[in-house]
Parts: sequence; C-alpha cells; structure tokens
Amino acid sequence: QVQLEQSGSELKKPGASVKISCKTSGYTFTTYAMNWVRQAPGQGPEWMGWINTNTGNPTYAQGFKGRFVFSLDTSVSTAFLQISSLKAEDTAVYYCARDRPYYSGSFGFWGQGTLVNVSS
Amino acid sequence: DVQMTQSPSSLSASVGDRVTITCRASQGIVSSLAWYQQKPGKAPELLVYAASRLESGVPSRFSGSGSGTDHTLTISSLQPEDFGIYYCQQYYTIPRTFGQGTKVEIK
Repeated sequence: QVQLEQSGSELKKPGASVKISCKTSGYTFTTYAMNWVRQAPGQGPEWMGWINTNTGNPTYAQGFKGRFVFSLDTSVSTAFLQISSLKAEDTAVYYCARDRPYYSGSFGFWGQGTLVNVSS
Repeated sequence: DVQMTQSPSSLSASVGDRVTITCRASQGIVSSLAWYQQKPGKAPELLVYAASRLESGVPSRFSGSGSGTDHTLTISSLQPEDFGIYYCQQYYTIPRTFGQGTKVEIK
C-alpha cells in the first residue's frame, strides 16, 4: 500500500534552517509528482508547490519562492523540503501529498505531517 | 489565483441529518474539484475528486456535485464519526487553492 512517512517534529530558532523528509513506499516514486502543503495553526491548508519526481524540476507557489527548496533522492524514494532563514510565521505543520492516479492535482495520499515550531 | 469560498464556515447538526456544504470558485474550474475531511491532529483525507467521484473506501453517504463555479458536498445521513473540518480544493489551475473550511459538529 502507498505510504508517505515524514520526519519528526522540529523546534528551531529564528534564522535557522530545517530539512523535512518524506519517504515513500508502495509505488514507483518517479510516477507521480510530490506536492508540499503548509497548514499554520488554526488555518486551512495552503499549497506550497510541487516537484516533478522524474526531472527534479520544482514549481513554487508565490509566497514560497526564495527560502523554500524542494528536492529529491530517488535512490531512496524520498522527497525533501528545506526552509532557510526561519521566521516565527513559518510555524506550521508541513505535509507532503501525492497526486491521485489519473487526477493530477487532487491529493490522494498524504504524509502524517511534520510540525515545525520556530521560537526563540 | 482562483479563490475558493466555502459556506457555511461551521454547522452543528444531529445524527441522521442531511448536511450540505457549498464551495464557490472565483472562476470556472469545470470539474477539477476535490473535497477533503480533516480531523484534529491528522492529515486531510480525500473524499471526493473530479467534483463527484467518490474516493475508494469513502462511505456512500458522501456525495459531490457541481461544475463550473458552484460545487456541493452532501452528507445524506450524518454519522457521529463525520465531525471534522471539510475543505474544497481546486486543481484546475496553478496554484492549487483550498477553501477556508467548514467545521462540522455533531449536536
């Protein structure tokens, strides 16, 4: 069965960096794009962008350009999200989410989420 | 960007009630719409995709309808386990955008 397993919660100080992993199993990693979704406390989900798992080409939503980097390690079927120069407003749960088959853009599979807490 | 507006923002209903949540897009999105349910501390779960197609394993009391700008999620007979926040999401265009959510509580 398809599984997306994310790395654990992170507590970081402002200005630091964090790298979140999303290890997949149960399907061929390069078949489907990987999306990243942010959910701030008490807010709805916000799509951050996606990465083409074939080419490694990322697409970032406006507002997530510059400090946010999507990357891959296809040898271990894992996607990564790195956030640099962390700010308090980056405090959120970050999800990786895979497209549903044949309906690209709807998210049929989600990781369990990684809480990033940015606090001095 | 396509703005997604859900109504109501919250509702409280009794077990067995019929519940309807609406989602309006700021421009036409044909049938490129998904509905998710999210429970506290959990990731959203896909209920409906392509506006009206039920995801595998989702109870048949859930249904989706609509096309263009106006879409609806209906729960035909509300069950205790249906509490949570429901989100619509369009995938017609980039960036993907979500509605602000509808919180469903059981009376």
